[in-house]
Amino acid sequence: QLQLQESGPGLVKPSETLSLTCTVSGGSINSINYYWGWIRQPPGKGLEWLGSVYHSGNTHYDPSLKSRVTISLDTSKNQFSLRLSSVTVADTAVYYCVGENQQWLVRPFDYWGQGTLVTVSS
Amino acid sequence: DIQMTQSPSSLSASVGDRVTITCRASQTVNSFLNWYQQKPGKAPNLLIYAASILHSGVSSRFSGSGSGTDFTLTISSLQPEDFATYYCQQSYSFRTFGQGTKVEIK
Repeated sequence: QLQLQESGPGLVKPSETLSLTCTVSGGSINSINYYWGWIRQPPGKGLEWLGSVYHSGNTHYDPSLKSRVTISLDTSKNQFSLRLSSVTVADTAVYYCVGENQQWLVRPFDYWGQGTLVTVSS
Repeated sequence: DIQMTQSPSSLSASVGDRVTITCRASQTVNSFLNWYQQKPGKAPNLLIYAASILHSGVSSRFSGSGSGTDFTLTISSLQPEDFATYYCQQSYSFRTFGQGTKVEIK
C-alpha cells in the first residue's frame, strides 16, 4: 500500500517559485506501474492537474501551465518534486501529490497525499 | 483542451434515494473516464475507472456507465457517508476534471 506525503513552505511571495516535495513510502518511485504527479485545488474550487513524471524521467504537463511547471524525481530519496515559477495569488491552493496507475489503460489517480495548502501572499 | 462539464453542480437528496450525476466531455474520450469522491478537508478517493469499473473496496451501490462524450455516476441507495463532492476526470488527452457535483442532505 503506497503512502504519499507532501512537504514544503506554506507561504510563497508573488513572482517567486513554489517548491514542494512528495515522499513515497510502501513502494519505489522506480516502479513501472506508476506515473507520479501533482494536482491542485484552490480554496472552495475544483481540481486541476498540473503534470506527471515517469521513472524514466519522461514528463507531461498541462498545456496551460507548461511554461511554469517542472516535475522531477529524486530516486535516491524515493521522492518527486514540483516547481512552479512566477507565482501569483491565483496559484494559492491545496497541492496534492498523486500516483497515476499505469496498469490500467485509463491511468486513474489511485493514490493521493493528504494535501498541503500553499498561500501566495506578500 | 478537453472540457468536462458535470450536472447538476449540486443536489439535495435523502438517505435511500437513487442519485445520478452526469458528466459530458467536449469531445470523445472513449472510456477514458474516472470518478472520484471528495469529503471536506480530505483528498479525493477513486471510485470508478474506465467509466464503469468499480475500484477495489468501493461499495457496489456506486456504478458508472457511458462512453464517448456522455457518462453517468449512479448511487443506487444514498447512505449518510455518501454526502460529498463527486468529480469526473478524463485521461484521454492530458488530464482534466469536471467542476464537481456536491451531494447534500435534504
